[in-house]
Amino acid sequence: GESVGLHLPTLSVQEGDNSIINCAYSNSASDYFIWYKQESGKGPQFIIDIRSNMDKRQGQRVTVLLNKTVKHLSLQIAATQPGDSAVYFCAENRGDSSYKLIFGSGTRLLVRP
Amino acid sequence: NAGVMQNPRHLVRRRGQEARLRCSPMKGHSHVYWYRQLPEEGLKFMVYLQKENIIDESGMPKERFSAEFPKEGPSILRIQQVVRGDSAAYFCASSPDVGQAYGYTFGSGTRLTVV
Repeated sequence: GESVGLHLPTLSVQEGDNSIINCAYSNSASDYFIWYKQESGKGPQFIIDIRSNMDKRQGQRVTVLLNKTVKHLSLQIAATQPGDSAVYFCAENRGDSSYKLIFGSGTRLLVRP
Repeated sequence: NAGVMQNPRHLVRRRGQEARLRCSPMKGHSHVYWYRQLPEEGLKFMVYLQKENIIDESGMPKERFSAEFPKEGPSILRIQQVVRGDSAAYFCASSPDVGQAYGYTFGSGTRLTVV
């Protein structure tokens, strides 16, 4: 079925380097996307979101890029810190049900000191 | 300003028992959503409730699972006659506006283990 696609890969980066986490989505009708951070034993924490009428949005140390042509979403974290170590999920929201989020399976980010 | 409160944090049940998971939304939020997370997977939508109403239960198994959000008190996700496959983390989220994903705030979840 349709899904936001990640298969829990692990990304290991050196502290201070930039991290890029990728996500593919399958439904071109999706119009809202969110990145969440989940630390061990905790619930998903909102990081940044983007609507389909944008292709880039920046927050504090984070940038989300949206490429609707190839249905691809990425999260860039600048100057990665040990506290960034977590599992990151992208989620999509489809126009037909504005409340329902479709989550990918996540990417584990490990930050080496 | 407390966030979404879920309890218990951890719940162990033997096969065949009942599990009751509670969720108190953020103050001022009247929309509650339940999601389930299996190990190493993303969250999957189960049900959306407003006070005294089930709006969308399309993600909830037809048998053994039920949810409510009474006029007073927390939202309850109830699993009857639990089986090992019910072992998962169950997350509740709330939002202030009519079913808008951008307003979501998640709780810390209840980790259910069926032995």
